[in-house]
Amino acid sequence: DSGVTQTPKHLITATGQRVTLRCSPRSGDLSVYWYQQSLDQGLQFLIQYYNGEERAKGNILERFSAQQFPDLHSELNLSSLELGDSALYFCASSAGGLYNEQFFGPGTRLTVL
Amino acid sequence: ILNVEQSPQSLHVQEGDSTNFTCSFPSSNFYALHWYRWETAKSPEALFVMTLNGDEKKKGRISATLNTKEGYSYLYIKGSQPEDSATYLCACLNYGGSQGNLIFGKGTKLSVKP
Repeated sequence: DSGVTQTPKHLITATGQRVTLRCSPRSGDLSVYWYQQSLDQGLQFLIQYYNGEERAKGNILERFSAQQFPDLHSELNLSSLELGDSALYFCASSAGGLYNEQFFGPGTRLTVL
Repeated sequence: ILNVEQSPQSLHVQEGDSTNFTCSFPSSNFYALHWYRWETAKSPEALFVMTLNGDEKKKGRISATLNTKEGYSYLYIKGSQPEDSATYLCACLNYGGSQGNLIFGKGTKLSVKP
């Protein structure tokens, strides 16, 4: 158990809908990262927050947004969902920056029908 | 765009065999390399973070080396066991402008037969 929690574990929804994925980092970790893993793709970095502030952005679509709250939990919002958004979404946390190992949550499996 | 390549894509070995696989990355502007182990139906688990050329790290039967000048890292598993079966991911720290993120390879899937 990495200490990172993600909810829900599975999510099935329809195209055009909006969903929110939630992540709680390990106790004491200030950085939260979101990744997407689609079929046949490696882990794709979406966005990083550090202590409530956006730190880095990857290939995150404009339909996607995220935030980190004062209690350090983070939410990833996916809107106007398309079939291609079906993927496994991981949250990871680390103590600080990118020289620290990241601890991954169990992931949320999103299926868009 | 930074490209991280891993080879082989998959590997099947017998219990007790030692094995190794490769992670290749651009050697310019290197900052750090991460190795993760990802078992089926679980989440990736950190093995090593390496930053210095010539770095060698070890955790039990698993070890890794780093050559930043030529842009590669090797992961070695000595005396493979069935519980070593997993996908092994490497990720390179990429800095674009003032921000950085990890670029992951697609992984090497290791299957160890009893």
